[in-house]
Order: sequence, then C-alpha cells, then structure tokens
Amino acid sequence: AQTVTQSQPEMSVQEAETVTLSCTYDTSESDYYLFWYKQPPSRQMILVIRQEAYKQQNATENRFSVNFQKAAKSFSLKISDSQLGDAAMYFCAYRSGGGGADGLTFGKGTHLIIQP
Amino acid sequence: SAVISQKPSRDICQRGTSLTIQCQVDSQVTMMFWYRQQPGQSLTLIATANQGSEATYESGFVIDKFPISRPNLTFSTLTVSNMSPEDSSIYLCSVTLGATSTDTKYFGPGTRLTVL
Repeated sequence: AQTVTQSQPEMSVQEAETVTLSCTYDTSESDYYLFWYKQPPSRQMILVIRQEAYKQQNATENRFSVNFQKAAKSFSLKISDSQLGDAAMYFCAYRSGGGGADGLTFGKGTHLIIQP
Repeated sequence: SAVISQKPSRDICQRGTSLTIQCQVDSQVTMMFWYRQQPGQSLTLIATANQGSEATYESGFVIDKFPISRPNLTFSTLTVSNMSPEDSSIYLCSVTLGATSTDTKYFGPGTRLTVL
C-alpha cells in the first residue's frame, strides 16, 4: 500500500515571504499522480497543484510550484509571496495511475500560518 | 469544474442511530468517492461509490456500517449506521471528472457529524 508522509505538522511564514512544505511518499508503482490540496477553515478542499509522475518538469500554478524528485520520492510545495489567504491546512496526496478510478491517499497535513 | 453539494452540512446525533448524507453534483461525473476526516486528522477513503452496483470499500470499512448508494451519475448517499462517538467526523464526497489520466478530483463542502 502507498503511504504519504508530511513531517511538518505546522509551518509559519511572514507575509510576502516564501515557504516550502515537505512531502514524501512510498510506492512501488511507476505510474501515479501527486497532488497538493488546501483546506481553509471553511473545510472546503481545494486543489492547489497536480504532478504526473511521468513528467520530469515540475508543475507550477502562479505562486505555487512543486519540487518533484521521483527517485527520492519527494514532492514539496513552494509558496512564493505568501498571502494571508494562503493560511490553511495543506495536504499532500497520492493516486495510482490508470484514470480516475482510484481514491486518494493523503498525508496528515501541514498547518500553514501566515504572519502579517 | 463541478459544483458539489452535501446535505446536511452538519448534524448532532444520538448514539445508536443512523444518518444518511447526500451528495449531489451539478453534472454527470465518472467516479464518486466518500472520505472521512476525523477531528484534527487527514482524510481517509471510505469507499468508491459505483453507479448501479455495490460500492467498493477500503480496508477497515464495511458495508453494514457505511452503506452507500449511487443510483445515477450525479447523486450518491452515505449512511453512517448504529453510530457511536467514534464516528464523529467530517464526511466528504469527492468526484472525478473525466476518465483519463488527467482527471481532477473535486470535493464537496463536507458534513460535520457529532455523535453524543
């Protein structure tokens, strides 16, 4: 079975600074997908960014980018120019390849605090 | 994208009773999933709701405790049966749009269940 580990229960960053959230995973599969989800206090899960394992290029979405190290099974999220609205729980998630038939395996989450 | 609604948004129930949670999507979706998020914890996949057939349950979850229905491509229900305080959680519905490897999973707003 796949596992996802987020070793940082909580991170704090000053507004406008850059922060990196860590995620490692364990799998024997070669085809899979990795995700970062954001869960603000409203508890609505919001997809932040997605990475296909077969792609060597790191995914980026505006201020959000990932550092995907397939050999090391590492998938960190970098948030640049942090904003107060970025404050939330961030979950790293894994999904097996082969279409959308599989559910997600989540890490325990990192609580991100943005200090004004 | 997909707009997902869940009913009820929250409920307080007595031990030994059952609660049915509804998930409605504004468009036809390929896959529907149910997750549980216990207080302060990450999300755990309960089951995949299959249209027209029995749900596929993850290890540790059984049909007698969490019966699921999915009568069509836009609607599913999850019942939490014979509840105990340990069932107090947020229950989230998730859907997949498309059947290709680039599909994206969306989440409903969740149902917060408290069992006394």
